[in-house]
Amino acid sequence: GENVEQHPSTLSVQEGDSAVIKCTYSDSASNYFPWYKQELGKGPQLIIDIRSNVGEKKDQRIAVTLNKTAKHFSLHITETQPEDSAVYFCAASIHGSARQLTFGSGTQLTVLP
Amino acid sequence: DSGVTQTPKHLITATGQRVTLRCSPRSGDLSVYWYQQSLDQGLQFLIQYYNGEERAKGNILERFSAQQFPDLHSELNLSSLELGDSALYFCASSLFGGEANEKLFFGSGTQLSVL
Repeated sequence: GENVEQHPSTLSVQEGDSAVIKCTYSDSASNYFPWYKQELGKGPQLIIDIRSNVGEKKDQRIAVTLNKTAKHFSLHITETQPEDSAVYFCAASIHGSARQLTFGSGTQLTVLP
Repeated sequence: DSGVTQTPKHLITATGQRVTLRCSPRSGDLSVYWYQQSLDQGLQFLIQYYNGEERAKGNILERFSAQQFPDLHSELNLSSLELGDSALYFCASSLFGGEANEKLFFGSGTQLSVL
């Protein structure tokens, strides 16, 4: 089955700096790659997603890039703010949708004021 | 607030016992998904129900079962509980069967502690 690896497991950045989280996947049939943000005491919340027919997608300060050949995708957060502090999860699915997601192990992002 | 309601928020029980976790999806959502989040296994997909029928199955143990009722709420039953079943159990919902462009909305989870 699909295996998703996520790095780093923890990341500390100064407010205003950029943060990058990287994931690799094993199943070349995977075609949907969402990113979720989980705050303390809450469930994961979708922040951005990308499909395999697109190389990059941007939404304000958040961007995701996908390299199908290398089977890796990355989350980029620019101009980080303290409220960006949370655990971020990448995920992958072969169904082109959020059905049967395989999640990475998570990255604890801390934005230092 | 995602609109997905899970009860109870916390559950403490003993090994060998059976518990039921409940989930009410967002209004209008037909699919319910169950995920388990543990320190060693991370977030793992367990099972999906769509409009009362099982739609997809993941890494769900035989001791676990789920169902979705006519009013679309779902229950996850965990039996013969073991220490390793201690985890945060999330329910999520989506509008239809989990097709392209559908978003997944997660509840706040039920923290299960097996002592």
